[in-house]
Amino acid sequence: QVQLVQSGAEVKKPGASVKVSCRASGYTFTDYYMHWVRQAPGQGLEWMGRVNPNSGGTNFAQKFQGRVTMTRDTSISTAYMELRSLTSDDTAVYYCARAASGSGYYSDYWGQGTLVTVSS
Amino acid sequence: DIQMTQSPSSLSASVGDRVTIACRASQTISSYLNWYQQKPGKAPKLLIYAASSLQSGVPSRFSGSGSRTDFTLTISSLQPEDFATYYCQQSYSTPPTFGGGTKVEIK
Repeated sequence: QVQLVQSGAEVKKPGASVKVSCRASGYTFTDYYMHWVRQAPGQGLEWMGRVNPNSGGTNFAQKFQGRVTMTRDTSISTAYMELRSLTSDDTAVYYCARAASGSGYYSDYWGQGTLVTVSS
Repeated sequence: DIQMTQSPSSLSASVGDRVTIACRASQTISSYLNWYQQKPGKAPKLLIYAASSLQSGVPSRFSGSGSRTDFTLTISSLQPEDFATYYCQQSYSTPPTFGGGTKVEIK
C-alpha cells in the first residue's frame, strides 16, 4: 500500500531554516511528482511547489520562490522540502502529497504532516 | 492566481441529511476541480477529482458536479464519519489553489 511518512515536528527560531523529509513506499517513487502543501493553524491549504522525483525538476509558487528548495534522493525514495529565512508566519503543518496520475496538480496520497513552529 | 470561493463556510446538519457545498472559480477551469475531506489533526483525503469522478474507495454518497466556474459537492445522506471540513481545489493552472473550506458540523 502507498505510504508517505514524514519527519517529526520541528521548532525553529526566526531566520533559521527547516528541512522536512517524506519517505515514500508502496509504489515506484520516480513515477509520481511530489507536492508540498502547508496549512497554518486554523487556516486553509496552501500549495508550495512540487518536485519531479525522476528528473529533480521543480516548480514553486511565486510566494516561495528564492526561499524554498525541493529535492529528492531516489536511492531511498525520499523527498525533501527546505524552507529558509523562517518567520512566525511560516508556523504551519507541512504535508507532502503524491501527485495523482503521475504529474497532476491534485493528490491522492498524503503524508501525516510535519508541524513546524517558528518562535523566538 | 485563480481564486476559489466556497460557500457556506460552515453548516450544521443532521445524520441522514442531504448536504450541498458550492465552489466557485474566479475564471473558467473546465472540469479541473477536486474535492478533499479533512478531519481534525489529519491530512486531507481526496474524494472527487475532475469535478465528478469518485476516488477509489470513497463511498458513493459523495458526488460532484459542475464545470467552468461553478461546482458542487453533494453528500446524499450524511453519516457520522462525514463531519469534517471540505476543500475544493482547482488543478487547471499553476499554482493550484484551494477554497477556504466548509466545515460540516453536527446539528
